[in-house]
Amino acid sequence: AQSVTQPDIHITVSEGASLELRCNYSYGATPYLFWYVQSPGQGLQLLLKYFSGDTLVQGIKGFEAEFKRSQSSFNLRKPSVHWSDAAEYFCAVGEVHNTDKLIFGTGTRLQVFP
Amino acid sequence: GAGVSQSPSNKVTEKGKDVELRCDPISGHTALYWYRQSLGQGLEFLIYFQGNSAPDKSGLPSDRFSAERTGGSVSTLTIQRTQQEDSAVYLCASSSPGQAYEQYFGPGTRLTVT
Repeated sequence: AQSVTQPDIHITVSEGASLELRCNYSYGATPYLFWYVQSPGQGLQLLLKYFSGDTLVQGIKGFEAEFKRSQSSFNLRKPSVHWSDAAEYFCAVGEVHNTDKLIFGTGTRLQVFP
Repeated sequence: GAGVSQSPSNKVTEKGKDVELRCDPISGHTALYWYRQSLGQGLEFLIYFQGNSAPDKSGLPSDRFSAERTGGSVSTLTIQRTQQEDSAVYLCASSSPGQAYEQYFGPGTRLTVT
């Protein structure tokens, strides 16, 4: 069965530091991969997605992610974190069936210190 | 333009009562999804609608949960005889034809069963 693992429950970084959030997936075929962000009291916002092609994808708010098939990973990165990036981040894989439903990881909560 | 809206934003109910949660998708979006986010958990898929049909109900946790969609638009998630374990944030998402996986999420309904 498809699954997504986010091994880090909580990460704390200083403002201006670089960030990498880990995501590993289990999927039988080429996955559709996503990162969403959920700010306190907000719905989920799509940061970026990977369907095919270039394995390094750029998203909004200065985020990027790299698909590595050999490692079954899709890690999210940002070179310099801003205090406003404090939120919960979810990695997801899309099922390539007729439902298109998303399978989410359990999330990583990012805390940013000034 | 208007995003996905959900009502109520918060609902407190007594154990054993029935509740209805409403989702208004983005106009023109034919696909609609319900997810549940429990404390400390990721997002769990509940049900998927394409138009008024629900080809995938595999995530509904029990027969106390049901959902319908009318006019290809508004959807209602009903939980009968609520239990404390039903306490969670219920999120709705919609997507447009030909934009599979571009799911836009509403702010959610926080359900508390006392």
